Amino acid sequence: GNSVTQMEGPVTLSEEAFLTINCTYTATGYPSLFWYVQYPGEGLQLLLKATKADDKGSNKGFEATYRKETTSFHLEKGSVQVSDSAVYFCALANSGGYQKVTFGTGTKLQVIP
Amino acid sequence: GAVVSQHPSRVICKSGTSVKIECRSLDFQATTMFWYRQFPKQSLMLMATSNEGSKATYEQGVEKDKFLINHASLTLSTLTVTSAHPEDSSFYICSARERSGLGEKLFFGSGTQLSVL
Repeated sequence: GNSVTQMEGPVTLSEEAFLTINCTYTATGYPSLFWYVQYPGEGLQLLLKATKADDKGSNKGFEATYRKETTSFHLEKGSVQVSDSAVYFCALANSGGYQKVTFGTGTKLQVIP
Repeated sequence: GAVVSQHPSRVICKSGTSVKIECRSLDFQATTMFWYRQFPKQSLMLMATSNEGSKATYEQGVEKDKFLINHASLTLSTLTVTSAHPEDSSFYICSARERSGLGEKLFFGSGTQLSVL
């Protein structure tokens, strides 16, 4: 079955540091890949997505590239801010819509001034 | 953007009691909503798919008599944990699917932390 593995947190970084959160997946077929973010007290929000191999999703300075050869979708940001402190979830869904979304365990990011 | 409201955000109850969690889509109609559960340091696990006007579809291993789902309107789905026990303590989160001419999107509630004493 489908599975998503992401690095355990928490991750603590200083402001303006480089961020990488690793995510690898196992899936049949050609899934769509997502990163969701959950800010304190709020619901999960879609941060970015990629629907096919070599696609790069980007939003708010975050990027992730769909790497089929390494089954990875690592999240990166060149310079984090305190406001980026949140929990980040990597996820995948098989083609055909949102019937079955498989999530990783989430990685908590804390950015300190 | 579309918002999903989930209440309560936190609930503490005694063992044997029932707890109801509400999930509302505030500015769109959601024919399909999803309920997830997350144990500490584990993934969000899909429990069931809630379809407006019909019975929910439960994932394997989820007891339908224990986790009652009602989706009586296009904007409201409820999850009732019946006769809750300490092992039901978990983080529950709902999501609602919006379909439009621009495609399909999934919006999440902020979750409910259930603690059963």
